[in-house]
Amino acid sequence: QQQVKQSPQSLIVQKGGISIINCAYENTAFDYFPWYQQFPGKGPALLIAIRPDVSEKKEGRFTISFNKSAKQFSLHIMDSQPGDSATYFCAASKDSRGAGSYQLTFGKGTKLSVIP
Amino acid sequence: NAGVTQTPKFRILKIGQSMTLQCTQDMNHNYMYWYRQDPGMGLKLIYYSVGAGITDKGEVPNGYNVSRSTTEDFPLRLELAAPSQTSVYFCASSLGLESPTEQFFGPGTRLTVL
Repeated sequence: QQQVKQSPQSLIVQKGGISIINCAYENTAFDYFPWYQQFPGKGPALLIAIRPDVSEKKEGRFTISFNKSAKQFSLHIMDSQPGDSATYFCAASKDSRGAGSYQLTFGKGTKLSVIP
Repeated sequence: NAGVTQTPKFRILKIGQSMTLQCTQDMNHNYMYWYRQDPGMGLKLIYYSVGAGITDKGEVPNGYNVSRSTTEDFPLRLELAAPSQTSVYFCASSLGLESPTEQFFGPGTRLTVL
């Protein structure tokens, strides 16, 4: 059972355009939603994260939009640059400190290519 | 700070061989994790630890073992390697306080089992 579904699998965007990656989750106990960025040959690195008490979070050109009722969240990259070309993973975690370790459930990833 | 370091970077194993993937963090993080990443499949949690001496299974633990004798180190042991264990393995750590915090990932170990 895939608990976090991510789309699209790949995305090609022109430089200066907007990149949009979508994720949907099933478990209503999830309450922490990070996005990770991974460059080839590197480990993933946290890009931005949101909790369900807000509907949007913006950090520079990166914005997370969160729709709790629809159980969906998305990453928007404004003014996309060739340096943004990477694989992006959405993830979700439960506040389960008593039961575990805030295990992250990852989406399958989106490979973004920004062409000049 | 070096962050999370992993050794080796690459390894080729024959079926049935065993090996240990090393992971060390110098951030004094409580929580540590091992993931495997297969093409198009995201990252799957193998094992995790919430502190020295405490480990637990993740989503895909079969064929692996871990130990955590110190805060800094969290080695992953593969016994009787199988082709299905060909993957890229990532170790991660997080502070682990009262709520989820950022997980910091190492550079990964690419393992091929032939």
